[in-house]
Amino acid sequence: EIVLTQSPGTLSLSPGERATLSCRASQSVSSSYLAWYQQKPGQAPRLLIYGASSRATGIPDRFSGSGSGTDFTLTISRLEPEDFAVYYCQQYGSSQTFGQGTKVEIK
Amino acid sequence: EVQLVESGGGLVKPGGSLRLSCAASGFTFSSYSMNWVRQAPGKGLEWVSSISSSSSYIYYADSVKGRFTISRDNAKNSLYLQMNSLRAEDTAVYYCARDTSGYGPAPNDYWGQGTLVTVSS
Repeated sequence: EIVLTQSPGTLSLSPGERATLSCRASQSVSSSYLAWYQQKPGQAPRLLIYGASSRATGIPDRFSGSGSGTDFTLTISRLEPEDFAVYYCQQYGSSQTFGQGTKVEIK
Repeated sequence: EVQLVESGGGLVKPGGSLRLSCAASGFTFSSYSMNWVRQAPGKGLEWVSSISSSSSYIYYADSVKGRFTISRDNAKNSLYLQMNSLRAEDTAVYYCARDTSGYGPAPNDYWGQGTLVTVSS
């Protein structure tokens, strides 16, 4: 099983700042089958990024993904008030596993 | 509009059984692989099971293998999860989620709102 480790656990930032979230895999994620999701309290997750760097339909371009192999990054270029949430990475190349999440909170 | 609506959750005693359903609409259900993903209270997401569009490929997380069974009825646009030998650690909100394709590796682009399963005596 591929284990995904996200860091940091919590990111405290102000609106307008840049957020950088990390996801590290215990082994290489084949063909960059890596996705990012956003989840707000009481809501289902929302797909943001797939294939490590492709934005899902309707996702603003302030969200970007990068990386390959075992190291992946989600960047939010300028935080909007609605971006404060929990973010999960997921690998779907070898069955599926999720990281434990990074909470982006208002500083 | 794509809609996924889960039902069947509730309170069940340890060792008991429950069957979850997910009613799909707004898309050609038979063309997509489907998944169950759960989230324990205050915890992260955990993938539970996947089924391909024609039910040819089925996968389970080790934590539920041998106890849970995923199935689908394409004629009824429905996904199911039969859960047996339930344990306290199975307590979670269970989400139904659609893959972006009918086969092969794919992320989950649509999710239901979830149904809560509580395993307690």
